[in-house]
Amino acid sequence: GAVVSQHPSRVICKSGTSVKIECRSLDFQATTMFWYRQFPKQSLMLMATSNEGSKATYEQGVEKDKFLINHASLTLSTLTVTSAHPEDSSFYICSARAQGWTEAFFGQGTRLTVV
Amino acid sequence: DQQVKQNSPSLSVQEGRISILNCDYTNSMFDYFLWYKKYPAEGPTFLISISSIKDKNEDGRFTVFLNKSAKHLSLHIVPSQPGDSAVYFCALQPSGTYKYIFGTGTRLKVLA
Repeated sequence: GAVVSQHPSRVICKSGTSVKIECRSLDFQATTMFWYRQFPKQSLMLMATSNEGSKATYEQGVEKDKFLINHASLTLSTLTVTSAHPEDSSFYICSARAQGWTEAFFGQGTRLTVV
Repeated sequence: DQQVKQNSPSLSVQEGRISILNCDYTNSMFDYFLWYKKYPAEGPTFLISISSIKDKNEDGRFTVFLNKSAKHLSLHIVPSQPGDSAVYFCALQPSGTYKYIFGTGTRLKVLA
């Protein structure tokens, strides 16, 4: 399968600071990338969809000013959690797909802990 | 309102036997149905998918069945191996989109 790399795998930050998470497709051009959030023992909830070069589409209830998504190239998307608070602590996962693909491939995930 | 449900949160199967994981959905139109396997603190790994125009797709030990009239999807793993122990999610792609709606997950434990 195709490889998606997500960095960092784990981050601890202080309340009020911002954190950037990177998602890279290593061996394909990702025309579409997705950001998910998973709470313990729950399913993956889609936060937003981003297409290269255009603004992200956010799911209902997701604050676009809090979760900034940039998909500036065909191999990189970033999620910035701005002014993080403890309730933002979660497991964030990105996925990516190329044009014409049915399946998307996932990164390893990022465990964010806000203290 | 959960559109996609996996009603069994957990399942234990003896090594060598068949594992059957189920997924039920409501109402919406979906183009593709996929199964992913996930270990703790890792991203999901793609296993197998099926188009809405088919009712069966097979890949090695994995077979996915789709019953559109019953709005039911299942994944069969045979023979089950201890390395199959993980959480399995079904993922459904709504028509006209590329995003997925994930099921609630089933934790499979294959006993040696």
